[in-house]
Amino acid sequence: SQELEQSPQSLIVQEGKNLTINCTSSKTLYGLYWYKQKYGEGLIFLMMLQKGGEEKSHEKITAKLDEKKQQSSLHITASQPSHAGIYLCGAEITGGTSYGKLTFGQGTILTVHP
Amino acid sequence: NAGVTQTPKFQVLKTGQSMTLQCAQDMNHNSMYWYRQDPGMGLRLIYYSASEGTTDKGEVPNGYNVSRLNKREFSLRLESAAPSQTSVYFCASSVNRYSNQPQHFGDGTRLSIL
Repeated sequence: SQELEQSPQSLIVQEGKNLTINCTSSKTLYGLYWYKQKYGEGLIFLMMLQKGGEEKSHEKITAKLDEKKQQSSLHITASQPSHAGIYLCGAEITGGTSYGKLTFGQGTILTVHP
Repeated sequence: NAGVTQTPKFQVLKTGQSMTLQCAQDMNHNSMYWYRQDPGMGLRLIYYSASEGTTDKGEVPNGYNVSRLNKREFSLRLESAAPSQTSVYFCASSVNRYSNQPQHFGDGTRLSIL
């Protein structure tokens, strides 16, 4: 099983709908990163969370890290076709000795129908 | 602004052939990483270089070698390609290895081994 589990694996929504993607670990997350990937392209950095209870927003995307630092959620408000792509969470699971090594979830494929 | 540049973008090899994937960054970053992305498995770290002159194994290093040529360049070599190495390879860089710096990714190299 994956050390980072993302759910759902895929999501199809109608434009204008809100949606949430979850990223869960059984271990403490020392740094949690959300990326977006379009098919055939690289990963685009969205947001970084480090502190328990932290919440960040950028345009219509909000990411939260729970108090125990074992789960993060990514929420998109009023989705648009431009939000479509693969969302990946990446995290440092081994603390200060991780040397920046990230463990990634398997990704969530988001489709937004106009 | 180029960021992280990977070459080639696509490559087809025969089993047993060798090749080197090139990666260069122009952001003066200290740390660089090589990942592979396979369906349903997210990204897995192959090798990383915390700083110029150092390299270390990641989660899936078997069958690969790396060279940190200078601060800008980090190459990945397949000495004897195997079909199991068919994947999309991503290079990434970050300011340093500490837990508060996002990694920036290239657009990937799509490698098929027949």
